[in-house]
Amino acid sequence: QKEVEQDPGPLSVPEGAIVSLNCTYSNSAFQYFMWYRQYSRKGPELLMYTYSSGNKEDGRFTAQVDKSSKYISLFIRDSQPSDSATYLCAMSAGNFNKFYFGSGTKLNVKP
Amino acid sequence: EPEVTQTPSHQVTQMGQEVILRCVPISNHLYFYWYRQILGQKVEFLVSFYNNEISEKSEIFDDQFSVERPDGSNFTLKIRSTKLEDSAMYFCASSEIGGYRTGELFFGEGSRLTVL
Repeated sequence: QKEVEQDPGPLSVPEGAIVSLNCTYSNSAFQYFMWYRQYSRKGPELLMYTYSSGNKEDGRFTAQVDKSSKYISLFIRDSQPSDSATYLCAMSAGNFNKFYFGSGTKLNVKP
Repeated sequence: EPEVTQTPSHQVTQMGQEVILRCVPISNHLYFYWYRQILGQKVEFLVSFYNNEISEKSEIFDDQFSVERPDGSNFTLKIRSTKLEDSAMYFCASSEIGGYRTGELFFGEGSRLTVL
């Protein structure tokens, strides 16, 4: 079983739609959860960071962590064509030796 | 916003040659990492480095790879004898531990390695 599972997509939505991106994981020791946006041939850009369970909101982005279900989500409200990118989830346990990444979901927001 | 910087942005080399990729992590960070991404594939962990030693490495990180922090600011990845399959984007990352932003992992823009 992979440490982190993420649907690769692609996910295609019209401009203005609400987007839901998800990852599941198997390691109950994970405490630090991140979402990255990656444009083609660029480095991953940190979008959202959450420690332990709960919700976090930043502008149009909301990150949710449900540790009981080992499930994390990223919601994008009022999606824009500029949101078209690959979205990666990443997580870590407390030792920081390694961050585990999902395979990334490719999102296309159509004007 | 402090950032991780990497050089070179693109390097082309012949198979069998040595390559050194350089990174300047964010100054107050304590953990350093190298990840790589073959075109169109997932981000793969190579190695983590803490307190001047390797803390964890993947099966990809064999004897052909080494890392070093030669001074207080640079963090390097050396590939001794490059193979065609080493062609990838190599990302350096760093993380702050014990501070306000503990656990957040910041990436550089990457160094694209092309092995011919």
